[in-house]
Amino acid sequence: ELKVEQNPLFLSMQEGKNYTIYCNYSTTSDRLYWYRQDPGKSLESLFVLLSNGAVKQEGRLMASLDTKARLSTLHITAAVHDLSATYFCAVGTSGSRLTFGEGTQLTVNP
Amino acid sequence: NAGVMQNPRHLVRRRGQEARLRCSPMKGHSHVYWYRQLPEEGLKFMVYLQKENIIDESGMPKERFSAEFPKEGPSILRIQQVVRGDSAAYFCASSPIAGQGNEQYFGPGTRLTVT
Repeated sequence: ELKVEQNPLFLSMQEGKNYTIYCNYSTTSDRLYWYRQDPGKSLESLFVLLSNGAVKQEGRLMASLDTKARLSTLHITAAVHDLSATYFCAVGTSGSRLTFGEGTQLTVNP
Repeated sequence: NAGVMQNPRHLVRRRGQEARLRCSPMKGHSHVYWYRQLPEEGLKFMVYLQKENIIDESGMPKERFSAEFPKEGPSILRIQQVVRGDSAAYFCASSPIAGQGNEQYFGPGTRLTVT
C-alpha cells in the first residue's frame, strides 16, 4: 500500500524567512502534485511534477521531484502572510487515484 | 469553462437519513473521482468512475456507500443510514483523461454534518 508522508505537519514561520516542506512516498511513481487548501475551501493546484529532476517555480514557491529518492520538496522563499494555508502533496499511481499526504499546516507570522 | 461543480455545499442530516451528493465534472471531462476529508486530515480516495462505469471503488466503505455516474447528469455519491462518523468534507475531482500526466481538478466540496 502506498504511503505518503509529509513533514513537518505544522510549521510556524516569520515573514521573510525560507523553509522547505518534504514529501516522501513509499512506492514507485513519477507523478506528484502539490495542492494548497485554505480553511473551509477546496484544493487549489500548485504544481504538477511528472519526471525525475523536475523543478517548477511560481512566485515564492518552488517544487522539485526526485523519483529515485521518492522525495518531493516544496520550498518557500521569503514567506509572506498570504502563504498561510495547508499544503498537500499527492502521488499518482496506476489507475489514476491520488494518495495524499497528511498535509502541512503553514502559518506565517508578521 | 465552468469548473467542477458540487451541490449542495453544505448538508445536514440526522442519523439514519440518506445523503445524496452531486458532482458535475468540468466540460469535456469524462473521469470523476470522489475523495473524503475528515477534520484535520488529508483526502482519502473513495471511488473512480467513468460514464456508466465504476472503475475503482477500492476506497469505498463496503456498506451504505454507493456511487454512480450515469450517461446523462451528474455523478452521485449516496450514503444510506448516515452515522456521525460520516461527517466530513466530500470532494469530487474530474479529469479529461486518465493515467500518466493527467491532472485532477477539484470541486468546492460538500460538507456533510450528521447530527
